[in-house]
Amino acid sequence: DVKVTQSSRYLVKRTGEKVFLECVQDMDHENMFWYRQDPGLGLRLIYFSYDVKMKEKGDIPEGYSVSREKKERFSLILESASTNQTSMYLCASSLGTGVNEQYFGPGTRLTVT
Amino acid sequence: AQSVTQLGSHVSVSEGALVLLRCNYSSSVPPYLFWYVQYPNQGLQLLLKYTTGATLVKGINGFEAEFKKSETSFHLTKPSAHMSDAAEYFCAVSLYSGGGADGLTFGKGTHLIIQP
Repeated sequence: DVKVTQSSRYLVKRTGEKVFLECVQDMDHENMFWYRQDPGLGLRLIYFSYDVKMKEKGDIPEGYSVSREKKERFSLILESASTNQTSMYLCASSLGTGVNEQYFGPGTRLTVT
Repeated sequence: AQSVTQLGSHVSVSEGALVLLRCNYSSSVPPYLFWYVQYPNQGLQLLLKYTTGATLVKGINGFEAEFKKSETSFHLTKPSAHMSDAAEYFCAVSLYSGGGADGLTFGKGTHLIIQP
C-alpha cells in the first residue's frame, strides 16, 4: 500500500513564526502536492512538484514556499505564519506523468495564534 | 481556468435509499474527473475517475458516476446507501495536457448523512 505520512497531526504556532510541514511518501512517486482544506471551500492547491528540486505554483501560493531535496520528501514552509493560515494541510503524491491517482496523507491541522 | 461546482453542501438520505451527489464542471478542454471520499479524521481516498473512453465509471464501495459532456456533469450515485457511506465527498477536475503532473481543482465538498 502507498503510504503518505505527515510529520504532525496537530500543530500550534504563534504569529510570525517560521513553520515547516513535512511530508514523506514511500512509493517512489515522482509527483507531490500540498493542499489546504477549509470548511466550505474544499481543497485548494498550494504548490506541487514533479521532480526533485522542481516546483510549480498552485492556485494559492502566496505566503508559502516549498522544498524538495529528496524524491520521497516534500516540505511546505510558512515563512512568517499568520492567523489566516490556520487550516488543515494535506499532502498527496502520485506516480509519473499523466493524470494518476493522488494518494493523500492524513493531514496536519495547523492553528496559528 | 477550470472550476467545479457541487450542488448541496449537505445531503441526507435514508439507509437503503439511492445516493445522488451532483457535480458540474466548467472547462474549455476535455477534463479528467474524479470523486474522492474523506472519512472523519482521515485523508482523501479515490472513489473513481474518468479519463477517456466509457462514460459510465464504476468505483469502489458500489459507487459509480457518469460523464455527460453535454451537461458538463459527473454525478456520483449508489443504488443503496449504507451507514458506512457517511462521509465528505469531493468532486475534482484536472486539465492535464501533457508533460509533468497537474494538480487537481476540487469542489467545496458534499457532506453525506445517512439516516437509519
